[in-house]
Amino acid sequence: GENVEQHPSTLSVQEGDSAVIKCTYSDSASNYFPWYKQELGKRPQLIIDIRSNVGEKKDQRIAVTLNKTAKHFSLHITETQPEDSAVYFCAASLSYKLIFGSGTRLLVRP
Amino acid sequence: NAGVTQTPKFQVLKTGQSMTLQCAQDMNHEYMSWYRQDPGMGLRLIHYSVGAGITDQGEVPNGYNVSRSTTEDFPLRLLSAAPSQTSVYFCASSRTEWNEQFFGPGTRLTVL
Repeated sequence: GENVEQHPSTLSVQEGDSAVIKCTYSDSASNYFPWYKQELGKRPQLIIDIRSNVGEKKDQRIAVTLNKTAKHFSLHITETQPEDSAVYFCAASLSYKLIFGSGTRLLVRP
Repeated sequence: NAGVTQTPKFQVLKTGQSMTLQCAQDMNHEYMSWYRQDPGMGLRLIHYSVGAGITDQGEVPNGYNVSRSTTEDFPLRLLSAAPSQTSVYFCASSRTEWNEQFFGPGTRLTVL
């Protein structure tokens, strides 16, 4: 089955700096890669996603890149703000199953 | 629209007891799934369904049953609760497995 590794587990940045979270997946047939943000005590919510036929996608301060050859994808947050502090999860979809990484706790220091 | 709803919000069980976690959605989504979330382990897929009458196992299905008799409802049954099943359970739904999953508010379950 699919396995998703996510790094780092924790990330602390200064407000205004960029943050990068990386994920690798094991099955080259995976074809959909979403990113979810979860604030403390809340439910996960989608922030951006990318399909396997696209290499990069941007939405304001957030971007995701996908390297199918290397089987890894990354989340980039620019100009970080304190409200970006949360846990971020990557995921990969294969054969109807969405498999999540173990999460990255992002802390943005004001 | 209420989106995805889950009941109960909190539950305490004794080892060996059984119970059903309820999940419902009003978005006419075909795909529904159950996850458990444990500290440091992310979200792990328990069971999923691609439509009424169709269910399949995820990563950690042991000790759990599901059924999907209608598009709207996807209950999760714990057959004989164990302390290892102490977790936060999330139900989610989406149009297909390649679309945004909308999560319910979660059920915090403690098994003593």
